[in-house]
Amino acid sequence: EAQVTQNPRYLITVTGKKLTVTCSQNMNHEYMSWYRQDPGLGLRQIYYSMNVEVTDKGDVPEGYKVSRKEKRNFPLILESPSPNQTSLYFCASSSDRDYGYTFGSGTRLTVV
Amino acid sequence: AQSVTQPDIHITVSEGASLELRCNYSYGATPYLFWYVQSPGQGLQLLLKYFSGDTLVQGIKGFEAEFKRSQSSFNLRKPSVHWSDAAEYFCAVDPYNTNAGKSTFGDGTTLTVKP
Repeated sequence: EAQVTQNPRYLITVTGKKLTVTCSQNMNHEYMSWYRQDPGLGLRQIYYSMNVEVTDKGDVPEGYKVSRKEKRNFPLILESPSPNQTSLYFCASSSDRDYGYTFGSGTRLTVV
Repeated sequence: AQSVTQPDIHITVSEGASLELRCNYSYGATPYLFWYVQSPGQGLQLLLKYFSGDTLVQGIKGFEAEFKRSQSSFNLRKPSVHWSDAAEYFCAVDPYNTNAGKSTFGDGTTLTVKP
């Protein structure tokens, strides 16, 4: 089944403890992207990637890192999480920019 | 910078009634335009998209959208709403000639369907 898989689905962590949210797609898509969703703010793009080793900042990149060493994987790294990063995170992938994104099921992160 | 406005935060319609969700964008040229739906507790699913050609596009689940260049709008419509359409709907744009992969979403419109 074609899909975008994120792990974990739920995560509670403490301020300052580094964490990684994994994202993997099995569709050989070129484009991948991370979003955060907060009530009343819609989805905001954190980082996106056009291909292996090619990434760029979205609208809210502060406090996040990404890497794209393989085409299928696009992990999101929070080096020192803070409570304002408590959010619902989505990974998405697309074969081309006019195809639209396929989204993962989301990761709900709570930083205390 | 591109932006997307969904003027209606919440819309309530009766089952069987018609639906129109509004979306306005701000961008220097015609961008790629998308509508997504998010059911409670789920990820987003692509409903339809537009870049060029016929300004009325058909999507999944019986939805359609019309692109109007003069109004910078891309409104989503459905002739007869079903209870299962209750969800949150997002309009999104991706710029055409720069920053491949960069996308901007509206704040969303929550649809409630009355029996």
